[in-house]
Amino acid sequence: EPEVTQTPSHQVTQMGQEVILRCVPISNHLYFYWYRQILGQKVEFLVSFYNNEISEKSEIFDDQFSVERPDGSNFTLKIRSTKLEDSAMYFCASSQRGTGGYEQYFGPGTRLTVT
Amino acid sequence: AQKITQTQPGMFVQEKEAVTLDCTYDTSDPSYGLFWYKQPSSGEMIFLIYQGSYDQQNATEGRYSLNFQKARKSANLVISASQLGDSAMYFCAMREWMDSSYKLIFGSGTRLLVRP
Repeated sequence: EPEVTQTPSHQVTQMGQEVILRCVPISNHLYFYWYRQILGQKVEFLVSFYNNEISEKSEIFDDQFSVERPDGSNFTLKIRSTKLEDSAMYFCASSQRGTGGYEQYFGPGTRLTVT
Repeated sequence: AQKITQTQPGMFVQEKEAVTLDCTYDTSDPSYGLFWYKQPSSGEMIFLIYQGSYDQQNATEGRYSLNFQKARKSANLVISASQLGDSAMYFCAMREWMDSSYKLIFGSGTRLLVRP
């Protein structure tokens, strides 16, 4: 069964460093998303991406964040200068369609620890 | 603004018994969708079940069923014949439409522990 994959599973970085989190969505999906979950809290929407551009972003997704689909398979989230409060689990998700009942399939997550 | 409420931070259930996890929602959108996801200790988010606001019947997927009461704005997850592997966090989520797709708004979750 096709699945969303994410690398790395765990990333430790120092404050102020740039990190790139990578995702490979399900191959026939067209809509891509990033969510984050601070430890012990609810999952929060960050950004959605369709047709090579951002569809919508939350207030969390400020200028320090960017997303890119550099080729036909990868979908990346870049944090330019990490802060301690960026420590969280980051989930990539993809869906086949943007409308209707098609669920979003989540990857296993990347745990980002900023020290 | 849409809102999802899960009032049970933790639940216990005996193995092989059924358990209901509560979820209430608030939206003014006549068309919406409700999802349940399972998050085991390993951290991944596993899709369990979906209910559309116009669906006439309650959704079912194997041992999972969704008790959808539209007038009460509740979408409770029922797990029948609980198994030890069902121990996990469970999140209720609602679809919020955006221009060309949708995002999920999550509740705070319920931690379920299945006792042998």
